[in-house]
Amino acid sequence: KAGVTQTPRYLIKTRGQQVTLSCSPISGHRSVSWYQQTPGQGLQFLFEYFSETQRNKGNFPGRFSGRQFSNSRSEMNVSTLELGDSALYLCASSLEGDSNNSPLHFGNGTRLTVT
Amino acid sequence: AQKITQTQPGMFVQEKEAVTLDCTYDTSDQSYGLFWYKQPSSGEMIFLIYQGSYDEQNATEGRYSLNFQKARKSANLVISASQLGDSAMYFCAMRGVNTGFQKLVFGTGTRLLVSP
Repeated sequence: KAGVTQTPRYLIKTRGQQVTLSCSPISGHRSVSWYQQTPGQGLQFLFEYFSETQRNKGNFPGRFSGRQFSNSRSEMNVSTLELGDSALYLCASSLEGDSNNSPLHFGNGTRLTVT
Repeated sequence: AQKITQTQPGMFVQEKEAVTLDCTYDTSDQSYGLFWYKQPSSGEMIFLIYQGSYDEQNATEGRYSLNFQKARKSANLVISASQLGDSAMYFCAMRGVNTGFQKLVFGTGTRLLVSP
């Protein structure tokens, strides 16, 4: 079974631009969540989607948005990029995402650098 | 609010020895799950082991075991017979009913270095 696939692996953008990251979950997984990882703040939850609906959202500004398609694939968008948005963005999928024993399976991440 | 504390920024162990990575947690949830993930330098987060708050037995997965002490709110990861490939960052995480189970809260991680 293929794992979680994130594209692209690396991105370099300049301040003020916008960026879209893509995530394809494990086949059959309907929950997709996104995390930001930085050396200063560690791993922080961005949002979670299930059946095309956002069920939970972390403490990030509105510049961070996402969506999920009917095939469970998800995209994350960051508008008006700031230097502080430089991070590893990790996508994770799970079967239904709302039980405490369902592990999240992560992709390799997209490393975003904002200059 | 949920919180995970990992007090060991770095740990060193020799190949074939056992090592314990510490994790304590704080939550008001009665039902919650505890997870350990491994992150090699490549960046991918690899799921290692899970422990449920109502599980009476400690979880084991191959060389990984979770020493769960509910009263002390600790969930330490034990790696037996360390291998060079175990060198990586290790994160303890939890999810619970207060966050709808959809959100994983992570600790700051422990960097493990296995030497020959």
